Amino acid sequence: LAKTTQPISMDSYEGQEVNITCSHNNIATNDYITWYQQFPSQGPRFIIQGYKTKVTNEVASLFIPADRKSSTLSLPRVSLSDTAVYYCLVGDQAGTALIFGKGTTLSVSS
Amino acid sequence: NAGVTQTPKFRVLKTGQSMTLLCAQDMNHEYMYWYRQDPGMGLRLIHYSVGEGTTAKGEVPDGYNVSRLKKQNFLLGLESAAPSQTSVYFCASRPIPSGRITGELFFGEGSRLTVL
Repeated sequence: LAKTTQPISMDSYEGQEVNITCSHNNIATNDYITWYQQFPSQGPRFIIQGYKTKVTNEVASLFIPADRKSSTLSLPRVSLSDTAVYYCLVGDQAGTALIFGKGTTLSVSS
Repeated sequence: NAGVTQTPKFRVLKTGQSMTLLCAQDMNHEYMYWYRQDPGMGLRLIHYSVGEGTTAKGEVPDGYNVSRLKKQNFLLGLESAAPSQTSVYFCASRPIPSGRITGELFFGEGSRLTVL
C-alpha cells in the first residue's frame, strides 16, 4: 500500500502563500495524487488531483516533480477559513484501497 | 442531491452491544469505503468494497464486519462493541476512474459512536 509522509503542522498568516509537501516514495506508475481538506466535525473534501508536472484550479496548485516521489500543495494568499487539516492521498497498485496519512494541520492567524 | 448519507449520525452503546451503521450513496458509485477517525488523528481505512457483493479488509478491520448487498449501500457492523471503537466513522464512495487509478472520494457527514 502506498504510504505518504507530511509535516504534522504548519503555521501561517493571512495573505501568505502556503506550501505543503507530501512524500510518496513508492507511488505506482498509474497512481494519481489527490489532496483533501478537512474541517472539524466534517468529512474530507476534494481539493485537487494531479499526475505529473503542475495542476491549478480555482483554490490551489499542485506541483509534482518528474520522479513523482513527492508533491506540493500550494495555497495562494490563505485566509482564516483555510485553517484545516490537509491530506495527501495516493492509490495502491490495485487501485482500490485508499490509505490516508496523518495529514498536516494548517493554522492561519490574522 | 443527497450524495453520501450515513445513519445514524450519533449513537451511544454499552460494551458488548451490537449495532450497524448504514451508508447510502445515490451517485451509482462502484467503490465504497469505511474509515474511522479518532480525536486528533487521521482517517484509517476499516473495510472497502469494489462492487456489489464484494468486500475487502483495510488497515484496521478487526472487530468490524461489512456487507454490500446492494450497490448503493455499504453496511458496517460492530458485533460486540468495545470502548476502543469509540470514534467518528466516515463513509466514502467514488466511481471507477476513467483511465487512471485514484479518483475523487465523496464523503458522508460522519457517524459519531461512543462505547461506554
